[in-house]
Amino acid sequence: SAVISQKPSRDICQRGTSLTIQCQVDSQVTMMFWYRQQPGQSLTLIATANQGSEATYESGFVIDKFPISRPNLTFSTLTVSNMSPEDSSIYLCSVESDSRYEQYFGPGTRLTVT
Amino acid sequence: QQQVKQSPQSLIVQKGGISIINCAYENTAFDYFPWYQQFPGKGPALLIAIRPDVSEKKEGRFTISFNKSAKQFSLHIMDSQPGDSATYFCAASTYNQGGKLIFGQGTELSVKP
Repeated sequence: SAVISQKPSRDICQRGTSLTIQCQVDSQVTMMFWYRQQPGQSLTLIATANQGSEATYESGFVIDKFPISRPNLTFSTLTVSNMSPEDSSIYLCSVESDSRYEQYFGPGTRLTVT
Repeated sequence: QQQVKQSPQSLIVQKGGISIINCAYENTAFDYFPWYQQFPGKGPALLIAIRPDVSEKKEGRFTISFNKSAKQFSLHIMDSQPGDSATYFCAASTYNQGGKLIFGQGTELSVKP
């Protein structure tokens, strides 16, 4: 399985500001995903990020709020823009293995917005 | 139709016992059913997964049972250990939807020594 790292691991931010989360993979992968896990809740897909194309967002998530970059096959960023306390969550990136089924997650970024 | 419903929400099992977590789905297009284990402060870790062409898959103490006609699948943890205490998520996806995982609500398992 791929080794995935995320930066920062946690942050406390003030409302109205933006935070960019980085996701680095130790091997080239085609598909990367960004999920949100609200406190004590399950995981919800924000968007799918393929290299060389625009990210595909799920219902309820928009590019202006969660812009995503995917500059190469090992790296992606998610920005949480104009944050509010409701954005306090764990943000997780994941990658799909060559089998196109197995998906592996990074350690997550714990965001608190005050 | 995209939902995956998981139960129970929490589970307490004695050491050495069997932990059973159930999931039900509605979308018959789902063709991949993984289970993830998540410890506090960590990302979910892929535990075991099954495709609908088999009814059971076993890896060590972990077994998935799959009932295609009932649209249900379950995770059995045999000889449960305190180190198994974690939150477990079932999920489902469809190959032609590019790997999008739909997660169940999660089950918080506590194994008492």
